[in-house]
Amino acid sequence: DTAVSQTPKYLVTQMGNDKSIKCEQNLGHDTMYWYKQDSKKFLKIMFSYNNKELIINETVPNRFSPKSPDKAHLNLHINSLELGDSAVYFCASSQEPRVAGQETQYFGPGTRLLVL
Amino acid sequence: AQSVTQLGSHVSVSEGALVLLRCNYSSSVPPYLFWYVQYPNQGLQLLLKYTTGATLVKGINGFEAEFKKSETSFHLTKPSAHMSDAAEYFCAVSQYGNKLVFGAGTILRVKS
Repeated sequence: DTAVSQTPKYLVTQMGNDKSIKCEQNLGHDTMYWYKQDSKKFLKIMFSYNNKELIINETVPNRFSPKSPDKAHLNLHINSLELGDSAVYFCASSQEPRVAGQETQYFGPGTRLLVL
Repeated sequence: AQSVTQLGSHVSVSEGALVLLRCNYSSSVPPYLFWYVQYPNQGLQLLLKYTTGATLVKGINGFEAEFKKSETSFHLTKPSAHMSDAAEYFCAVSQYGNKLVFGAGTILRVKS
């Protein structure tokens, strides 16, 4: 059974379109994250949610909007896609950190987004 | 703000040789440190982590890392490289809110 799953695995779309990436975890975790890995493989956090509440919101354009319908799901919606949005997007989850920073994050397989 | 520097974007070793991947961090508070591995076209998998306690941490696949506060380092080692170790390795430090700050990654190549 896949612990953290993402759909779709690949996404090719035109500039200006709106797209969503879905993430689900079956680990019973309270906290979920979105990371972006750019073409140079640099990984940076975008958002984190704890029990459906937004905890971290890095300096991400407003075109990116995370949505957490329940604590097992964290979807990422992107409006008006731009060329620079092409990247691999990783979802992750962890237990709620009782001691800040200690909890292991479990990553999904990634969604490879290509904007043409 | 905390940050991570991985020395060497590419490391090449022969099969059976020692693997040493370097990671230095900067942190104003006691750090929590992680090593993740990424195989081609896959997600990240935790190798090991340091939170508190013993400074020598053992992980999966024969890897280990030693936290050295005086050197602000958390280098990853494996005594004998295997072809299956070829992958990209990321060192990370955890910030408030469990936010992981990653280094730029080191690609490990294993030669037969």
